Parts: sequence; C-alpha cells; structure tokens
Amino acid sequence: GAVVSQHPSRVICKSGTSVKIECRSLDFQATTMFWYRQFPKQSLMLMATSNEGSKATYEQGVEKDKFLINHASLTLSTLTVTSAHPEDSSFYICSARDWRNEKLFFGSGTQLSVL
Amino acid sequence: KQEVTQIPAALSVPEGENLVLNCSFTDSAIYNLQWFRQDPGKGLTSLLLIQSSQREQTSGRLNASLDKSSGRSTLYIAASQPGDSATYLCAVRGLSNFGNEKLTFGTGTRLTIIP
Repeated sequence: GAVVSQHPSRVICKSGTSVKIECRSLDFQATTMFWYRQFPKQSLMLMATSNEGSKATYEQGVEKDKFLINHASLTLSTLTVTSAHPEDSSFYICSARDWRNEKLFFGSGTQLSVL
Repeated sequence: KQEVTQIPAALSVPEGENLVLNCSFTDSAIYNLQWFRQDPGKGLTSLLLIQSSQREQTSGRLNASLDKSSGRSTLYIAASQPGDSATYLCAVRGLSNFGNEKLTFGTGTRLTIIP
C-alpha cells in the first residue's frame, strides 16, 4: 500500500526555537497534503491544507505565521513550528491524498515536546 | 459545523467475538467516510473508504456501512483477534467553513480484545 513517511518521530526542543517536520509520499504523488494536531485523548484537528505549488489554507484559529507550511513538490510537504512554546507540545500528523483513488494515507506522526 | 461522534468511547470484548463500532455525523453533505485505526503513538492506518454514493465496503473481517441520510456509519469486525486492539477513528470528508475540503474526525473508540 501507499506509504507516507513523516519525520522526525519525536522532537524535544527549548522554548523559542523552531522545529521543522517533513512529510513525504514515497510511492505516489500527492497534490494535496494535510496537517493535523492531536492533543492527548482528543481527536485529530485539521490545521491546514497544503496544495502543491500554492499557499496553504489554514483552519480558523491556526496562526499561519507560527505554523509555516511549504509544499514545494508533489511528494514533500513541511511544517515548521516557529518560536515554539510549551503550549505547542502536541502530536502532529500529516496525511497525503493519493490522486489515483482519493484515499488518505497518514504519516506515523511527530511528538513535539517544548520545554 | 460538522460534528462526528463515536460510541462507545471504549470497548472490551473477548477474543473471537463479533463487534460493532458506531459513528454518527451531523451534516449529511459529505463526499465520503473513512475508517482508520490508530495504534498508540503512531499514525493512522486507513481501513475502509465509503463514497457517499455507496452503502458499504468490505475488507477481510471488516465491513463498514454508511447511511448518509441518517448520518450514521458502523464498522463491523468479525471474529475479533488481540491484534485488533487499537483506537478506531471514523472521519467524514466535507467542506470546511472556508470552502476547502476538510476531514472531520470522531474522538475514536478504544478497542481492547481480551485473549
């Protein structure tokens, strides 16, 4: 089946630093990728929709200047958490839509801990 | 605003039993509904995708049904095994408030199969 690679799987950083998370579709092209955040015991919440070659579309309440998304190719999207703070600590998951069948495939997630 | 609810939040059954997980959604204007499983600290694995025009999908021991008019879906797992233990999420694909497509997740059902 289709595979989405997300890394790093875990990152611990100091408050005020920036963290970049990569999401790659390994065996299919993804014109659309999505970024989600999941707090403990809660469901996934969509943060933004990333379309290759265009600006990402952010959900209400998500700061675009804080969560920078770049989708420069059909197989790669990155999420950069700028000036991270403890409240940004969460589980971040990306997904990519396989243009052939519209199925969504998810990365394995990144656990971000900001000290 | 689309809301997705999954009942029960947690379920424990003995190995070998059949079981049903429930998902309900408030806005019937959806493109599709997808069932996922999530293992602790991991990303999501797609199980079944049902298009809005379909009534059910089957894969191995899994069968998912969709009744769009009533806003309900069920995931039936036959002959449960310990390896089925995971959190099961349903998600509906519709339109976000900003006119972009959006996947709205339920809060999940944590399934434990007792050997």
